[in-house]
Amino acid sequence: SQELEQSPQSLIVQEGKNLTINCTSSKTLYGLYWYKQKYGEGLIFLMMLQKGGEEKSHEKITAKLDEKKQQSSLHITASQPSHAGIYLCGADFGNEKLTFGTGTRLTIIP
Amino acid sequence: DTGVSQDPRHKITKRGQNVTFRCDPISEHNRLYWYRQTLGQGPEFLTYFQNEAQLEKSRLLSDRFSAERPKGSFSTLEIQRTEQGDSAMYLCASSLEGGATGQETQYFGPGTRLLVL
Repeated sequence: SQELEQSPQSLIVQEGKNLTINCTSSKTLYGLYWYKQKYGEGLIFLMMLQKGGEEKSHEKITAKLDEKKQQSSLHITASQPSHAGIYLCGADFGNEKLTFGTGTRLTIIP
Repeated sequence: DTGVSQDPRHKITKRGQNVTFRCDPISEHNRLYWYRQTLGQGPEFLTYFQNEAQLEKSRLLSDRFSAERPKGSFSTLEIQRTEQGDSAMYLCASSLEGGATGQETQYFGPGTRLLVL
């Protein structure tokens, strides 16, 4: 969707390194969701952000939403093979459905 | 753990045939969504229900597509006269609208992968 840009499209990271994935919206967000998807499978919910400046963490994954509520980042600390997959950001523009970015394919190499 | 389930997980069909997919949402969820995902893309919204009422349909949902949620529980998505362009992953999600903040999160099923030959 052109309303939501995700970068990078793919990322190859050595195990143990940190990484960041970005999601930028052309409009103000009501909410921003991060999901993870293994190839050929459904989406696994990671985190949801609603307030400007909000930051949430779960295990080694931290997600932030900027004050203007147009940009979010997902940061993984000390990456592990289990972090490999496709990360998708989904925008709630207040119209009852989610608009997704194209995803970031994350590969972790030993 | 009774998450969202979808059946079948995979479907191969010939062009022109009709197919039907089923989605069972999380039991207390009143909203049910259908999305379609093609290779290398994020999911795209198709339609959603609140209880048994279909409240919105995307223009992606041509007249060959029909979705129902007759008793406000499970839903079916039917594609008539399938075309090769219908090949995709069809994802179902459910949520609880009107609950506490954060309960509106959409939880996704494993998807049905459709291949039209």
